[in-house]
Amino acid sequence: QTVVTQEPSFSVSPGGTATLTCGLSFDSVSTTYYPSWYQQIPGQAPRTLIYSTNTRSSGVPDRFSGSILGNKAALTITGAQADDESDYYCVLYLGSGSVVFGGGTRLTVL
Amino acid sequence: QVQLVQSGAEVKKSGASVKVSCEASGYTFTSYAMHWVRQAPGQRLEWMGWINAGNGNTKYSQKFQNRVTITSDTSARTTYMELSSLRSEDTAVFFCARGDPSRSGNFEIDYWGQGTLVTVSS
Repeated sequence: QTVVTQEPSFSVSPGGTATLTCGLSFDSVSTTYYPSWYQQIPGQAPRTLIYSTNTRSSGVPDRFSGSILGNKAALTITGAQADDESDYYCVLYLGSGSVVFGGGTRLTVL
Repeated sequence: QVQLVQSGAEVKKSGASVKVSCEASGYTFTSYAMHWVRQAPGQRLEWMGWINAGNGNTKYSQKFQNRVTITSDTSARTTYMELSSLRSEDTAVFFCARGDPSRSGNFEIDYWGQGTLVTVSS
């Protein structure tokens, strides 16, 4: 069973930097998995932040960036703001057409 | 602008089926795919499958493949997700999400519908 792992929770101070990661149970995450990141405020539909590892979706501030760090995909949020408090999900595309969501990270800004 | 508008909330009995629709506008419908994603209360997003609106090809998650059918009506610019043999754990919000093949051929999710709540009661 393919498992995509994320930190269940992460805390960052206002103005600080948060780096959330996304791992894969059977392999290192690379650009070939086209990692994407989505933000979801509970009770709302998700919003696309990053696709294809590091491309920001339209309208997403440049405080959000995507990368590969070691064997994981990463979402870095710089200058964290109160309204960044959300759930963040990564998605990996497995090349067979299958898509897998991570378990999500709840980000707290305090 | 791209819009995905889903059908309204449903209440179903255990064992029944539900069919949720997603009407698209603002782009060339047949050039993209449509994914369906489930989210049970307080739980993570789960990918269910996609349909290529251009040729009708589908791909389903192993978890749902015996119970889900995704179809598309090009003339109506609408995609449908039908889930059968409903059980209590299917009580969830179901989202449609557009898949863009232009960058990687992987139908990367970009736009999302507003979600449809399906409640399964015994």
